[in-house]
Amino acid sequence: GAVVSQHPSWVICKSGTSVKIECRSLDFQATTMFWYRQFPKQSLMLMATSNEGSKATYEQGVEKDKFLINHASLTLSTLTVTSAHPEDSSFYICSARLEGEAFFGQGTRLTVV
Amino acid sequence: AQKITQTQPGMFVQEKEAVTLDCTYDTSDPSYGLFWYKQPSSGEMIFLIYQGSYDQQNATEGRYSLNFQKARKSANLVISASQLGDSAMYFCAMREGLAGGTSYGKLTFGQGTILTVHP
Repeated sequence: GAVVSQHPSWVICKSGTSVKIECRSLDFQATTMFWYRQFPKQSLMLMATSNEGSKATYEQGVEKDKFLINHASLTLSTLTVTSAHPEDSSFYICSARLEGEAFFGQGTRLTVV
Repeated sequence: AQKITQTQPGMFVQEKEAVTLDCTYDTSDPSYGLFWYKQPSSGEMIFLIYQGSYDQQNATEGRYSLNFQKARKSANLVISASQLGDSAMYFCAMREGLAGGTSYGKLTFGQGTILTVHP
């Protein structure tokens, strides 16, 4: 089956620093990837749609300058949380599209202290 | 408006019993897909079952079956013979639109149901 790898699985960073999260499709090419955010015991909320070679499409209310998305190749999309604050602490999870089906990465638990 | 609604924040079931997790959806798109995912405490999203809007029969995958009632816009998940390892959060999700669109594959999730299986 299709495998999506997300790295790191967890990260702790200081307030004001930036954190990069990688999402890789290991055995298929993904022109489209999706980034979700999830607070404890809540639903997954779509943050943005990442398309290879073009700018990401952000959902309403998501700050594009704070959550930078780069989809530079057909197998890699990155999410950079810039100038992180404690309220950015959350679970971030990506999915890659293959023939309409979504394959999820393992997720990244971000804690900003 | 909420597109996917899961009205059960928590459910309890005895081991080896069956349990139904509710999901209703709202869409005006004639082409859509409905998914169920299991999310254990580790956070990974485990795909369980899929139902397409044009599928005539209810989907089944092992102990999982989907009770698809299109007119009522419901897609309930039935887990038969519950096991302790089934304890997790369960999400219903919907994909709208036709293949080829740039956002095809985008999922809208329900609020989730925490299932606890008792021995």
